[in-house]
Amino acid sequence: RKEVEQDPGPFNVPEGATVAFNCTYSNSASQSFFWYRQDCRKEPKLLMSVYSSGNEDGRFTAQLNRASQYISLLIRDSKLSDSATYLCVVNINTGGFKTIFGAGTRLFVKA
Amino acid sequence: NAGVTQTPKFRILKIGQSMTLQCTQDMNHNYMYWYRQDPGMGLKLIYYSVGAGITDKGEVPNGYNVSRSTTEDFPLRLELAAPSQTSVYFCASRKSPSGGVNEQFFGPGTRLTVL
Repeated sequence: RKEVEQDPGPFNVPEGATVAFNCTYSNSASQSFFWYRQDCRKEPKLLMSVYSSGNEDGRFTAQLNRASQYISLLIRDSKLSDSATYLCVVNINTGGFKTIFGAGTRLFVKA
Repeated sequence: NAGVTQTPKFRILKIGQSMTLQCTQDMNHNYMYWYRQDPGMGLKLIYYSVGAGITDKGEVPNGYNVSRSTTEDFPLRLELAAPSQTSVYFCASRKSPSGGVNEQFFGPGTRLTVL
């Protein structure tokens, strides 16, 4: 079983739609969680951190469920510019920190 | 700040050739990483460094070597290139992890093809 798993998609949604991505992690020593965004043929960039209490940044909401070991990302009112691959990232404390990247979920937002 | 810079952007190698991928960061970050990303796949860690003079293997180190003589530079060496090393290579850096928000900053990547 992979340490971090994501639905690869692609998700094809119209502009204005709400879309949600889930990510599951297997290591209970996972300590911190992030969503990164990667545009086609570009480097990954941090989108937002994920906190147990849930956090929101404009149209983006991230949630963490430690009991079920999953995190989610909700995008409201999708824009064409949201088209990208969204990477789930987990930091695991194994004595030193280990960072695991999920394979990513592709999103296409269409006009 | 330029952030993390990588050279070259593109390279085509013949089987058996060698090359060095350069990575430099100007943020005074202690931690630096090399990843490879194959099409449709996640990032796989090749090597990482927690400071000048200290390097360690990641998930897929075979066929690669690194050095870290300064805080700024973390070159990746490919010896005897093989077609399986065709990939996009990303260098990244971050401050020493503290358990909280700890963003990794990535370079623009090097696209390598081995024929």
